[in-house]
Amino acid sequence: GAGVSQSPSNKVTEKGKDVELRCDPISGHTALYWYRQSLGQGLEFLIYFQGNSAPDKSGLPSDRFSAERTGGSVSTLTIQRTQQEDSAVYLCASSPGLAGVRMYFGPGTRLTVL
Amino acid sequence: GENVEQHPSTLSVQEGDSAVIKCTYSDSASNYFPWYKQELGKRPQLIIDIRSNVGEKKDQRIAVTLNKTAKHFSLHITETQPEDSAVYFCAASIDQGAQKLVFGQGTRLTINP
Repeated sequence: GAGVSQSPSNKVTEKGKDVELRCDPISGHTALYWYRQSLGQGLEFLIYFQGNSAPDKSGLPSDRFSAERTGGSVSTLTIQRTQQEDSAVYLCASSPGLAGVRMYFGPGTRLTVL
Repeated sequence: GENVEQHPSTLSVQEGDSAVIKCTYSDSASNYFPWYKQELGKRPQLIIDIRSNVGEKKDQRIAVTLNKTAKHFSLHITETQPEDSAVYFCAASIDQGAQKLVFGQGTRLTINP
């Protein structure tokens, strides 16, 4: 079946602009994660959604970052007033959730803030 | 909550030799331990995982061992090849309910020809 998809694959924006990144998880997966990966670095956890529970937002680096998940499926990560340090690859992943934590990653969105 | 430590951060081995990457975890309730491989410019891919009801699992040249008492687990790659060069991430979680998978910091493995 289809894997996790993300769009856009690349996004170039100017400092101060808002951006929206989209994630479509694997159908039926109730858990969805967002990670940030700067060049050559590890996986920085941002936010975790599990079903209808309140999301775990403990990794969001500032109040410029927010995410929502509509209908328990598609998720959008929004970065307001982008800064150059926001430049990174943003990875989305999903897992079955209550049925298990085996996680599958999307291809990522490479964000460049000029 | 769970905390996962991974060592070493970088590892360089000669082609054909073995490579070992080690992780420790803090939550004794964790029972699921996957390993992900991330090649340059690509997404992390699951390569092997183990549950706490077994102490070792093998898949061709890769194996994972688990020591529940010491709360550590390791990835072993034998007969390394250039295509094994990548960043490897370990992770740990409780594999039931609404639990969050927690990752280690990653190990950059380089296979020298």
